[in-house]
Amino acid sequence: SQQGEEDPQALSIQEGENATMNCSYKTSINNLQWYRQNSGRGLVHLILIRSNEREKHSGRLRVTLDTSKKSSSLLITASRAADTASYFCVNNNDMRFGAGTRLTVKP
Amino acid sequence: NAGVMQNPRHLVRRRGQEARLRCSPMKGHSHVYWYRQLPEEGLKFMVYLQKENIIDESGMPKERFSAEFPKEGPSILRIQQVVRGDSAAYFCASSRWTVPDEKLFFGSGTQLSVL
Repeated sequence: SQQGEEDPQALSIQEGENATMNCSYKTSINNLQWYRQNSGRGLVHLILIRSNEREKHSGRLRVTLDTSKKSSSLLITASRAADTASYFCVNNNDMRFGAGTRLTVKP
Repeated sequence: NAGVMQNPRHLVRRRGQEARLRCSPMKGHSHVYWYRQLPEEGLKFMVYLQKENIIDESGMPKERFSAEFPKEGPSILRIQQVVRGDSAAYFCASSRWTVPDEKLFFGSGTQLSVL
């Protein structure tokens, strides 16, 4: 089965709002990564968080990791229409992706 | 420094034909992953290869599908006797090695359409 299950499956917000996506994984991790996919294109790496880290920031992105709950969240602040894409998490131990969260940001 | 190159970008085959998808990893990368994606779905892992070795093929169908990554040249995903259910986008990704901090670099994919 696929690791890295994202939630929700789809999210629609207005420009300027924050978007939060969650990810659960089944096995232990060395690190967890988030990727973004624009429609019909390959995935682009966004951010990596190590198993001994609890929070990480990169520009408008904030990632948290809770190893006790085997979960991670990705927060995009002050969203823009250009953030519309699918977002995936992946456990570096197996590189299996989940179904992703499809984010739509309305202008 | 060119990124991961996949070709062809689009491939049309009739049922029963063979499909060959190519992936040239980034320069200096010796690890290649192949994924398959159906519309509105996530990426499904197929196979992980290093130069001249298949490391993990647990996601590959047992029949008709094969992959290689020779010492020289691109990685090839080969699908024999294609069926309509093989229609999908196939992505490859590469990394330098498999230490925990490595990230994947993806190609733009090959869209396979089986008529």
